[in-house]
Amino acid sequence: DTAVSQTPKYLVTQMGNDKSIKCEQNLGHDTMYWYKQDSKKFLKIMFSYNNKELIINETVPNRFSPKSPDKAHLNLHINSLELGDSAVYFCASSRALGQGYYEQYFGPGTRLTVT
Amino acid sequence: GENVEQHPSTLSVQEGDSAVIKCTYSDSASNYFPWYKQELGKRPQLIIDIRSNVGEKKDQRIAVTLNKTAKHFSLHITETQPEDSAVYFCAASNPLGGQGAQKLVFGQGTRLTINP
Repeated sequence: DTAVSQTPKYLVTQMGNDKSIKCEQNLGHDTMYWYKQDSKKFLKIMFSYNNKELIINETVPNRFSPKSPDKAHLNLHINSLELGDSAVYFCASSRALGQGYYEQYFGPGTRLTVT
Repeated sequence: GENVEQHPSTLSVQEGDSAVIKCTYSDSASNYFPWYKQELGKRPQLIIDIRSNVGEKKDQRIAVTLNKTAKHFSLHITETQPEDSAVYFCAASNPLGGQGAQKLVFGQGTRLTINP
């Protein structure tokens, strides 16, 4: 299957722990993203990498650190987890359409619950 | 930065009727406007998009219109069916000066319910 995939699908952990979420895409796209969807369903971009280079770095606590070992993978590491980090985290990748346009495709999401 | 407002937050229509969701954006440099459908517990899925050089685009029962002057774009779904029930998100973006990425700013979402 060609897709954007994420692991794990669910993550339940305690405050103060450190956790990682992994994302992989086999679509051949050069750009990948992390989004956070909060309990009110609001979707907000966090980071974007183009061919392993950080392009977008929104106002996110520095406890969140993305890493892109290659253009098909983008991981998100979160240190010292807080209750407010509970959300669904979506990975996405984008296909260039030419003329500066891109289509973004989302992974299935990782539901993080911090207790 | 860009700000996208989406209305209504909830919309309930009878099966077979039309549904319209409206969005406004603030950054006149935005040039790409996708719409995503998100079913419960699933990922957002791209259903249609429109570029700033186009006023209207149709794909079967869905259409999107764009008014660049008013910074306003809308999603129209005709002949609604129960499977159209979902949360719909509009978004606006500009291509970040050719850096190879696109910053999508999303609206707040509209929960559409189709009543049989």
